[in-house]
Amino acid sequence: QSALTQPASVSGSPGQSITISCTGTSSDIGSYNLVSWYQQHPGKAPQLMIYEDSERPSGVSSRFSGSRSGNTASLTISGLQAGDEADYYCCSYAGNQILVFGGGTKLTVL
Amino acid sequence: EVQLVQSGAEVKKPGESLKISCKGSAQTFTTYWIGWVRQMPGKGLEWMGVIYPGDSDTKYSPSFQGQVTISVDKSISTAYLQLNTLKASDSAMYFCVIPSGGTYYAAMAFDIWGQGTMVTVSS
Repeated sequence: QSALTQPASVSGSPGQSITISCTGTSSDIGSYNLVSWYQQHPGKAPQLMIYEDSERPSGVSSRFSGSRSGNTASLTISGLQAGDEADYYCCSYAGNQILVFGGGTKLTVL
Repeated sequence: EVQLVQSGAEVKKPGESLKISCKGSAQTFTTYWIGWVRQMPGKGLEWMGVIYPGDSDTKYSPSFQGQVTISVDKSISTAYLQLNTLKASDSAMYFCVIPSGGTYYAAMAFDIWGQGTMVTVSS
């Protein structure tokens, strides 16, 4: 499996919304509604932000939302805050208990 | 609260072997898949594989098949990641992961992460 494709970086100002795309193939994103998104601050373990394409774990702000269409998934963060500055990784199920991650996107809050 | 506690940082020489441990709580350890994720310095996350402690069924990412060995000792709620014939390119942070409940298990989403084990391979 090849890594999913994410933009290397995105940026936005506080209060704005940003969207991070994640492109896969018909063997991963396109076959399952099992895309998850992880946030990672420097020096920390990743944190689950979205699962099953668009579900939020309890405790995750409603400012985070996910969607999927065809072979592409997206993470949208609305009302950007300074604390949202982090690396974001998409992850898709690819069958047979195999997952594939995206290359990661660095979010900068200007 | 489910927690995963990993073994400490390691410094090894090329050619040596290493076994990293990941200890969890008894209840979740026999119920759900336990996964391993690699993160090389300054790089992204890479899925390595999973093991089901109930029967030790193991699935490896093609990129890591034959390169690492994942095992478990459910009697002590501990999973292991073995790295053989270490190379400098094995220098990375290694995380173990587990879902905290059935919803995340079904979604192949991992909300519980170990603190990570930093492995440095240098002559």
